[in-house]
Amino acid sequence: GAVVSQHPSRVICKSGTSVKIECRSLDFQATTMFWYRQFPKQSLMLMATSNEGSKATYEQGVEKDKFLINHASLTLSTLTVTSAHPEDSSFYICSAVRNLAGGELFFGEGSRLTVL
Amino acid sequence: AQRVTQPEKLLSVFKGAPVELKCNYSYSGSPELFWYVQYSRQRLQLLLRHISRESIKGFTADLNKGETSFHLKKPFAQEEDSAMYYCALNSGGSNYKLTFGKGTLLTVNP
Repeated sequence: GAVVSQHPSRVICKSGTSVKIECRSLDFQATTMFWYRQFPKQSLMLMATSNEGSKATYEQGVEKDKFLINHASLTLSTLTVTSAHPEDSSFYICSAVRNLAGGELFFGEGSRLTVL
Repeated sequence: AQRVTQPEKLLSVFKGAPVELKCNYSYSGSPELFWYVQYSRQRLQLLLRHISRESIKGFTADLNKGETSFHLKKPFAQEEDSAMYYCALNSGGSNYKLTFGKGTLLTVNP
């Protein structure tokens, strides 16, 4: 199957700093990617839809200035957590849509962010 | 707004026993439903989608619009089926904007 890769898989940062997480579709082009947040023992919460070449669409309650999303190419979307605080500590997961044979969604392995 | 409900957080069965993971949905449009599975320390992956009407790893799921359900079933559970299972609804058409249920952790005991 198709591969979506996230980097870094784990990151620890100090409060107030910014952290960038990358999501790459390795063997297909993705005009649409998604970013989710997963709290411990809870479901995935969709944060935003990342559209190649245009602004991301954020879900209600997600601060766009806090979580900056850039989808500059058909294989890369980035999520930057700006001025991170401990409450931003979470597991962030991305997915990418491969539009072949009806389409399918492929997930990255996730990135664990810990803000001290 | 769409909603996906998985009423069981945890489900434990013995190997060889039948298993059913429940999923109910609420959506005003025509639903497209999926089951995703996450094995320990692995990424989320598609198990099956209702439009395919296929059986994957012995699992099946039938969309029941009258009961707004999409329960996942397997007649004989195996230990390797132990995983987290998420039911998801696509409200984004070809963009696959998914709404996930909270997940059910299935444990198959030897």
